Order: sequence, then structure tokens, then C-alpha cells
Amino acid sequence: GESVGLHLPTLSVQEGDNSIINCAYSNSASDYFIWYKQESGKGPQFIIDIRSNMDKRQGQRVTVLLNKTVKHLSLQIAATQPGDSAVYFCAEWGSARQLTFGSGTQLTVLP
Amino acid sequence: ETGVTQSPTHLIKTRGQQVTLRCSSQSGHNTVSWYQQALGQGPQFIFQYYREEENGRGNFPPRFSGLQFPNYSSELNVNALELDDSALYLCASSLTGGAQETQYFGPGTRLLVL
Repeated sequence: GESVGLHLPTLSVQEGDNSIINCAYSNSASDYFIWYKQESGKGPQFIIDIRSNMDKRQGQRVTVLLNKTVKHLSLQIAATQPGDSAVYFCAEWGSARQLTFGSGTQLTVLP
Repeated sequence: ETGVTQSPTHLIKTRGQQVTLRCSSQSGHNTVSWYQQALGQGPQFIFQYYREEENGRGNFPPRFSGLQFPNYSSELNVNALELDDSALYLCASSLTGGAQETQYFGPGTRLLVL
């Protein structure tokens, strides 16, 4: 079946450093991946997406890398800021025509 | 802000009761998806409505049902509430519900079942 998992449940980084959040997926048929950010008391907020025909996509301060060989996804945040503190979810769109979310990584930015 | 609104923000019910949650989609979007998010977990897909018809369902029992109205707003109904139904209920809207389409989430309704 489909599943999306994250390597680490928590990540702490110093303000100004780069953050890397990893995600593994199991369904090789998944063809669309999304990263969401969820702040306390709010709904998930779209950050960036990537389709399976791409290896890398960049946004403002964020980069998503997709390695289909090992079924691995990562989110890189450059110059991490206090406002980046949140839970980050990766989600995949697979053959079941639904978004499947991982369990999330809590990112804490230290002053 | 995504333009997706949900009501109420919080709700307390007792076991066995029924609840109705509401969602207004972003302007121009005709698809609404509902998710359940337990504490410390990622959202789990309940079902999706496209043009007033159910267009996909996750692994949830029939006591979870929904409606979509001509203005594309939506309701989630849960009958015979159980303690494990306590969660954050999220709705997300998208243009057509198609594959590889971004879903925009509302702030959620926090349901507590006692």
C-alpha cells in the first residue's frame, strides 16, 4: 500500500543556518509530491511541489529534491528564520487519487 | 491566507452524538477534500467532493458522510461519535480535484468527543 514516512520527528537548527527535512515514500507509482508547513493552530500551508519528471525544484528560500531511485524526498530551507518553526509534512499523490501525508517533522529554530 | 474557511473553530460533543462541520472553498474552486488529523499525526484523507458528487473516499466508515452544495461549499457529517473521532478536521479546496493539483487548506475545526 501507499505510505509516506519521515526520517526524523524533530529537527533543531540555529537561526541563519540551512535546514534539511527528509521524507521517504514507498509507492513507486506516486508522481506528485508536496511539502506543507503547519503552524500551531493552523491548517497546512502549501510550500512547494515537485512532479516525478523532475529532480529538483526551487522556490523562495526553499528547494525540494526528489530521488526516485531510492524513493526519497527532501526539503531544504536556506537561512532558516524563527518564522520557519513549524511542523513540515511531505505528501504524495499516488494511484489511489488521494493525498497521503507523512507524520511530520517538527522544526525548531534556535536564536 | 488561502480563502478557505471552516466553522465552527472548536466543538465539544459526547459519545454517540452527531456533528456537522462546514467548509467554504476558495473562490473559483469546485472541489473540496476533507481530512482528519489526530494529534501528532499527518492529515488522513476522508473523502473528496467534486461538483456535488463524492469523488473518492479514504478508509473511513460510512458514519462519515458529506455533502457539497451548488456554491461548492461542503459539509462533513459524523454520526454515532466515538472517542477516537477527537481530532482536527481539515478541508481543502482545489480547482477541479484532478491529479497533481495543489490543495489549499482551511484552518480546521477542532472536535473533542467526551
